[in-house]
Amino acid sequence: EAQVTQNPRYLITVTGKKLTVTCSQNMNHEYMSWYRQDPGLGLRQIYYSMNVEVTDKGDVPEGYKVSRKEKRNFPLILESPSPNQTSLYFCASSFGFPGHTEAFFGQGTRLTVV
Amino acid sequence: GENVEQHPSTLSVQEGDSAVIKCTYSDSASNYFPWYKQELGKGPQLIIDIRSNVGEKKDQRIAVTLNKTAKHFSLHITETQPEDSAVYFCAAVTANTGNQFYFGTGTSLTVIP
Repeated sequence: EAQVTQNPRYLITVTGKKLTVTCSQNMNHEYMSWYRQDPGLGLRQIYYSMNVEVTDKGDVPEGYKVSRKEKRNFPLILESPSPNQTSLYFCASSFGFPGHTEAFFGQGTRLTVV
Repeated sequence: GENVEQHPSTLSVQEGDSAVIKCTYSDSASNYFPWYKQELGKGPQLIIDIRSNVGEKKDQRIAVTLNKTAKHFSLHITETQPEDSAVYFCAAVTANTGNQFYFGTGTSLTVIP
């Protein structure tokens, strides 16, 4: 089954404790991206990757890092999480840039930073 | 960058009635407009999309219309059913800023049986 898998689904952590949210897709997609979803703000792009070892900032990259060492995986790293990073996070993938082909989203990771 | 506004934020309709959700965008270079449905506990899923060279597209009970001059597009759901209850997001993609999605703020649709 074609899917984007995020882990964990739920995470509660403390301020400053490094964490990684994993994202994996089994569709051989080149384009992957991370979004955060906040009430009243919709989804905002954090980072995206056009292919292995190629990443770039989205609209809200501050406080986040990403890596793309393999085509299927695109982890989101919070080196020193803060309460304002409490949010619902989605990973997405597609064959090409958004708008060229359909984007598939993971089920989301609800992160709480206390 | 692109700015997408979506209205209404919440919408309740009786089963069988129609629902309309409207979005406006700011960048005239935007050329792709998808609609996503997000059910509780799940990620957004594409339900219909339209490109800038088309004015209307229909898929069974769902249709999308695009007015490029006015820079707005709308989602129409006819004969609504309880399973249509979800949050709907519109988005715009523009080549001007790296071909990324710009999402609206979402509409929570409730279909009352």
